Order: sequence, then C-alpha cells, then structure tokens
Amino acid sequence: DAGVTQSPTHLIKTRGQQVTLRCSPKSGHDTVSWYQQALGQGPQFIFQYYEEEERQRGNFPDRFSGHQFPNYSSELNVNALLLGDSALYLCATQALAGPETQYFGPGTRLLVL
Amino acid sequence: QKEVEQDPGPLSVPEGAIVSLNCTYSNSAFQYFMWYRQYSRKGPELLMYTYSSGNKEDGRFTAQVDKSSKYISLFIRDSQPSDSATYLCASYTSGTYKYIFGTGTRLKVLA
Repeated sequence: DAGVTQSPTHLIKTRGQQVTLRCSPKSGHDTVSWYQQALGQGPQFIFQYYEEEERQRGNFPDRFSGHQFPNYSSELNVNALLLGDSALYLCATQALAGPETQYFGPGTRLLVL
Repeated sequence: QKEVEQDPGPLSVPEGAIVSLNCTYSNSAFQYFMWYRQYSRKGPELLMYTYSSGNKEDGRFTAQVDKSSKYISLFIRDSQPSDSATYLCASYTSGTYKYIFGTGTRLKVLA
C-alpha cells in the first residue's frame, strides 16, 4: 500500500499564476481533505471532498477550489496566487467518517515569488 | 481566540526525560482529540486519538483529555532522540468534517 501520495513535491510560481496540486488516496479511503500549513503553523483546513462533492469548507477564499474524481483522487487549484499562499499543502484521506483513520500525504511545498 | 491553542516551544529535554505536551481548546462541541507527530519536511502522522474524556496509553505515549477544563495532554515516557519532531494536537466534531489543529510544539530530545 503506497499510502497517500501527492504531486508535485515542490513547486515555484509567481504572483498571479494558477497552480494545480494532486492527491491520490490511501487504498480503501474515499474522503479527501486539503490543508494549508504555513511555516511554524499548524495545518489549516481548506475543504473536504466526499462522493465528488465539496461537503465542508474552511475560511479560504474562492481562489481555492478543488475536485474529486470517481477513483477518489483529488486536485486542489489555486488561482491568482499571492505571496501569502506560499506554504506546505497537505492532502489527508480517510475511510468512512472515522477521524482516527485520517492519513496525511507528504505534502507539496509551494513557493510564490 | 483560536479554537485550539498550543505553545509552539521549542522544548528541549535530555534523553530519558518524561515530556508533557499540552493544548487547550475553546469549543465544547469537540468530541475527538488527536495527537500527530510531524518530522521536518514530512506530513503529520497520527500518534494517538481519544474520544471524549479520559486517558489512552500506547507504549511510551499517554494521551489525556479533561473536558471540564478543556485541556489536552500528551505524555512521552523515556524520551528518545528519535522523538524529536513537532507535535500537533487536533480536535474534531462529528458531522462538521473539520479538523482544527494547534500550531504545534517543537520538541528536541538531546542525546
């Protein structure tokens, strides 16, 4: 079992550009959450996808959007990048509704210049 | 006020010491309380979780939740240099689908 995988591992973009990050869930997991972790901070919840629908969203602007595919993999899209979007973006997947089953991927480190 | 507060540290202890890591929370609706360990440049990994109040032990680790004082603790016995990492507490309420994390405490165990 490969666990949760994310791509790319690192990314450098400039202000105003758009970025797409990808996540493949752990085997047996059908729920995907995305988090933003700024340096020295804890992960901040962006949104969660289940059955290809966004079912909960944190306090992030509409520039942050996502998608879940029928195979449960997911994308996070960020438009009009700001310097403050520089962070580690974490994908976490889980089975059913059990919070104890949540597994994190290694993250994508995004730097916005 | 943040819903989950955690002292960022850093906390340095000698090898073999007992480590106490703590968080406070403000939302009475939280039901699940988790501790994650995050090594540098890696994703968090779940160490322990507790449902509602009480203690839970797993090897050298003990998680404790006191809902009356809204206090979450993680104790590490016989700490090892390999325990050096950032420890994140998190809380969750069924039906909200949101996990609320503290800022994390950086722990360094000195050999």
